[in-house]
Amino acid sequence: DIQMTQSPSSLSASVGERVTITCRASRSIAGFLNWFQQKPGKAPTVLIYGAYRLQSGVPSRFSGHGSDTDFTLTISSLQPEDSATYYCQQAYSKRTFGQGTKVEVK
Amino acid sequence: QVQLVQSGSELKKPGASVKISCNTSGYNFTNYYVNWVRQAPGQGLEWMGWINTNTGNPTYAQGFTGRFVFSLDTSVSTAFLQISSLQPDDTAVYFCAREGVVPAAMMADYWGQGTLVTVSS
Repeated sequence: DIQMTQSPSSLSASVGERVTITCRASRSIAGFLNWFQQKPGKAPTVLIYGAYRLQSGVPSRFSGHGSDTDFTLTISSLQPEDSATYYCQQAYSKRTFGQGTKVEVK
Repeated sequence: QVQLVQSGSELKKPGASVKISCNTSGYNFTNYYVNWVRQAPGQGLEWMGWINTNTGNPTYAQGFTGRFVFSLDTSVSTAFLQISSLQPDDTAVYFCAREGVVPAAMMADYWGQGTLVTVSS
């Protein structure tokens, strides 16, 4: 099975800061990488699919990059409502989630 | 509009079984797989597997074989997750989520609200 490793596990940043989360796959997954946001007590929502495609309705401050084994999710200007846990997921072979990155907005 | 509505919370004793439903509406049920995802208290998301709603063929992730069964009732556009021989570490929120089958739509774009299963004596 493909393993997904995210870093960091948590971060704290101020409103307006640029934030980047990294996700690494244990083997090549081409561009089959999705990013989800989850707020406490809620179901996850998809932000990015296919490594860089922005899901409809998601603010443009979210962007995704990468291919093969290394991927990033960037929030260009952090907002208070971005406080959440973010998960990457490989969609190349079955599915696997990363362990999550908790983002706190100061 | 697309909706996935799950059955309510369950409290079960160790050794019992539970069957969770995921009632879908607003789209063609057989055009999308249904994923099942587990989230233990305070933990991350675990992909349990999915079921092909066109063929009824389930695929289970490692660690979710044997006691876990995915099934369908296509007549009412509903997917089910049954867990047998429940143990306390099965205590979790279980989510269903639809996923497209074409490369441009291979992501879980609509989710159920989650079903909390608590296993306790």
